[in-house]
Parts: sequence; C-alpha cells; structure tokens
Amino acid sequence: NAGVTQTPKFQVLKTGQSMTLQCAQDMNHEYMSWYRQDPGMGLRLIHYSVGAGITDQGEVPNGYNVSRSTTEDFPLRLLSAAPSQTSVYFCASSPTAPRYSGANVLTFGAGSRLTVL
Amino acid sequence: AQSVTQPDIHITVSEGASLELRCNYSYGATPYLFWYVQSPGQGLQLLLKYFSGDTLVQGIKGFEAEFKRSQSSFNLRKPSVHWSDAAEYFCAVGAGGYNKLIFGAGTRLAVHP
Repeated sequence: NAGVTQTPKFQVLKTGQSMTLQCAQDMNHEYMSWYRQDPGMGLRLIHYSVGAGITDQGEVPNGYNVSRSTTEDFPLRLLSAAPSQTSVYFCASSPTAPRYSGANVLTFGAGSRLTVL
Repeated sequence: AQSVTQPDIHITVSEGASLELRCNYSYGATPYLFWYVQSPGQGLQLLLKYFSGDTLVQGIKGFEAEFKRSQSSFNLRKPSVHWSDAAEYFCAVGAGGYNKLIFGAGTRLAVHP
C-alpha cells in the first residue's frame, strides 16, 4: 500500500520556468490538498480538492494552479517559478470531506523540495 | 481568524527526561486538534488527535496530550524521552471545513544522550 506518493523529491528551477509537482494516492481518498512548508511558518494550505473536478484555494494560492481529473491524482503546477516559491511541498489526502467537519485525519506524502534560483 | 501558536521554537532535553510541548489555539467553535511529528527528510505522521470526549488523549510512541478549553491549549507530553523522539512537532487545528488544517510553526526537539 503506497499511500501518498509525490514526485519529484528534489527539483531546482530557474526563475520563470514552469513545472508540475505530482501527487498520487491509492487509498480512494476524496479529499486531497497541497501545503508548503517554510522555516518558522509551519505548513500553509495552497489548494485543495474535495473530489474529481472540484478544487478550491487555500491560504497561499497565488502562483500555483491545480486540477483534479481523477480521484487518484492531484498535480500542482507552478506557472512561472519565483524564488519566493522555494519551499518544501507536501501533498496530503483524507478519506472524505464532510463539510464543516474538519475531523478526518490527513495522510501526508514524503514531500518535494523545490529550489528556485 | 483561526491560529495556532507554538511558543517554543527549539527544545533540548536529556534522554529519559520528561517532555512537554506547548500549543495554544484560537478558534471560535469546538476545535479539532492534532499533533503531527516530522522526522528529518520525512513527511508528517499523526501522533494523536482530539475530536471530542475525554480531554486526555493517548497517541502513538507513548505520547499524550491534554485539551484544556479554558486555556485554549493542547499540550503534548511524554514521561520519558528517547533519542529517536528527536524531530519537529507540529500542532494543528481543524479549520472548520473540508479538512483544512491550520498549523503552528513547529517545535524542533533535540535529545541529548
């Protein structure tokens, strides 16, 4: 059981380049999300999805794009990378997304470390 | 607005000593509270969670946490720390919808032999 798989684990980009961070889960989870982790700031929510075809913005969505065409996959796209996007990115999923519950436990991937020069 | 404060950025304890990591939250409704641990180079692993009921919750690896509504706190404790507990610990509150979590900035724990 792989859980949540993120690729690549490490990536170096130049300013202005675009790239996609991949996230896949094999647990049939409805809810998927992307966080970024920066020193002294904990994890901040970028985008999330409550099911295929449904996405919404989190706390820090600017500069990122997402789509959810299947239950399993939730890629995060950087449209034009900036040094401020240097961070560690985590994908997380949970089984269901009942509104206003906030009660489901998230399963995290191992992270993708991105450096933008 | 919801927020989570972890007052201690770094904590160092000796192996075998007791541990308490502090967490204070700001949230208008009944909170869902979590503690996650992150070992170096790894993703986050759930230690324990509080949804309702008994305010003292037990987690994995011998950790426990106590929810105190009057103090808006959810402190993590362990009676005897092991060297393998060295990691970064995050407190989080469920932000009321769609499993969005608000994380604290984290506390990095170092364990001296």
